[in-house]
Amino acid sequence: NAGVMQNPRHLVRRRGQEARLRCSPMKGHSHVYWYRQLPEEGLKFMVYLQKENIIDESGMPKERFSAEFPKEGPSILRIQQVVRGDSAAYFCASSPLSGFNTEAFFGQGTRLTVV
Amino acid sequence: KNQVEQSPQSLIILEGKNCTLQCNYTVSPFSNLRWYKQDTGRGPVSLTIMTFSENTKSNGRYTATLDADTKQSSLHITASQLSDSASYICVVSADSSYKLIFGSGTRLLVRP
Repeated sequence: NAGVMQNPRHLVRRRGQEARLRCSPMKGHSHVYWYRQLPEEGLKFMVYLQKENIIDESGMPKERFSAEFPKEGPSILRIQQVVRGDSAAYFCASSPLSGFNTEAFFGQGTRLTVV
Repeated sequence: KNQVEQSPQSLIILEGKNCTLQCNYTVSPFSNLRWYKQDTGRGPVSLTIMTFSENTKSNGRYTATLDADTKQSSLHITASQLSDSASYICVVSADSSYKLIFGSGTRLLVRP
């Protein structure tokens, strides 16, 4: 049972381009969470998705950012028209359930650098 | 405002020594507290998870304590090894447990 798989591990984009980050949850997990880690800071919640549904996107910027978790395939975090401030590590976590004491397993992260 | 503060920010110890990392939180209502280990360039890996009613939990050489009254937690590492060098992150979950609130971490360096 592979862990949470994120790709790419490193992504370089020029300002104004689009960044697409992928996350395949652990087998059997239907809950996916995206977090962002700016340099020297803790991880910050962005969005929580279940299959085909966005449950909570309160931590995600209203503009340029979107997330999806289709019925088939990985979860995608999309950042349009990237700016330098988007440079960060983006972590995905998955869990089999949502709720009290649910353990969440993290992927290795995607390090986005905007040049 | 829900916050998690950790101290010290960084720590250097000699291999074989013990150390204790601290975490204070102002998260309400409290659901659970977790300690994660994050190696450089990797995702966080869970060490322990404690609910309101638990005041200590061990995982090998790692022992976490929780005082829900004072809203403090500690992570004690016994007989440190070089592979313990990493960031240790205190994470608190509020009522809806998926919204984990992360501390900035303590960077531990174990020297031979």
